[in-house]
Order: sequence, then structure tokens, then C-alpha cells
Amino acid sequence: EAGVAQSPRYKIIEKRQSVAFWCNPISGHATLYWYQQILGQGPKLLIQFQNNGVVDDSQLPKDRFSAERLKGVDSTLKIQPAKLEDSAVYLCASSLVGARQETQYFGPGTRLLVL
Amino acid sequence: AQTVTQSQPEMSVQEAETVTLSCTYDTSESDYYLFWYKQPPSRQMILVIRQEAYKQQNATENRFSVNFQKAAKSFSLKISDSQLGDAAMYFCAYRSRNQGGKLIFGQGTELSVKP
Repeated sequence: EAGVAQSPRYKIIEKRQSVAFWCNPISGHATLYWYQQILGQGPKLLIQFQNNGVVDDSQLPKDRFSAERLKGVDSTLKIQPAKLEDSAVYLCASSLVGARQETQYFGPGTRLLVL
Repeated sequence: AQTVTQSQPEMSVQEAETVTLSCTYDTSESDYYLFWYKQPPSRQMILVIRQEAYKQQNATENRFSVNFQKAAKSFSLKISDSQLGDAAMYFCAYRSRNQGGKLIFGQGTELSVKP
């Protein structure tokens, strides 16, 4: 079974530029999460989708971050414009709705460096 | 709001020995899940073990076991017969049973294994 796929793996941009990350969850997983992991900290949820609907985006900085999951499968996370403090690893995770405990499976992450 | 605290930024263990990683959490809920995730240098987060709060029996997975003390809100991870491959960052995480699926992570404990 293929895992959660993310691209790109690394991205370097200058502040005020825009950037987009892509995530493909495990086949059949209706729930998709984007987490931000700043160096030295645990991941923090940015947004959670169930199918193509948003369940929780309370910690998403909506003035600069946006995310979509149009067909309930792949998802993109965009930052526009980027700030220095956005440097982090962006992790995508997915889970199977209804499964016991709904274990989340993580992708390898996209490491973003904003200069 | 729920919080998770890992008070040991770094731990070290000799190969084949046993090590215990500490985690405490704060919540007013009675039903929830607790997890330990491992994040090797490649950054892929992997589930190590999980515990349901309503279960009194401590979870075990091969060399990994937990000591779940619900009243004390403590959830420690014991790794027996440590192997070089156990070296990684370990995160403790909390998930509410009733408030969506997001994981709330601690700050992490970096475990090194000495040959």
C-alpha cells in the first residue's frame, strides 16, 4: 500500500514570494491534515479536511495561507506572501474515517526555508 | 485547551538497555487517545504505540510499552532492548475522542542510542 506522498521535498524562497505544496493521501482515506513543524517543536495542525470539506482551520493564518482539496483526494497548501517565520517542515497526514482511533499516517514532509 | 508536555529534550541509552521517555498532558476530558510517534532524521513520522483512555491495561507493541496513569495524566514510553534504529525524535500526542481528529503534540524528546 502506497503511503502519503508529498512534493516538493525541499523549497527555498525569498520572503514575500509565494509557494505551494502538494499532498496525495493514502487511497481511500477521507480525512487529510496539514501540520506545520517549526524546528525544535512538535507539529501543529493548520487545517483538517474530511473529503473536500474543511473540518478545522482555526490555526491557519488565513491572511497568507490557503488550502484546498477540490475532489476530496489531493490537496494543496499555499503561502502568499511568505514570511521568515514560515520556515518549517509542512507535514501532510491522512486517516481512514470510522477506523478505530483513526490513526494518522504521515508523509515525508516539505522542508521550507524562507530567506 | 489540551496541552502535552515532554520535559526531556534529549535522552541517551546504551544499546540493549532500557529507556523511559516521559510525557504529561492536561485535559478536562475523560475520553481520549494518546500516541507515541517516532520521527527519524528522514522526517517521516511513524506511529509507535497508542492507548485509549478508557482502557486501564497498558498498551504494548513488541519492545515498546507504555505506563498510562490517567489520574496523574502521565503517559510514558518504555523502550526495552534498545537498538541503533531506535535513535530518533519521539513525540507524545493527544487526540480528543469528541473534538475532531487533530493531534496535539508535545515538544519531542531526541533519543540517541550508543553502541
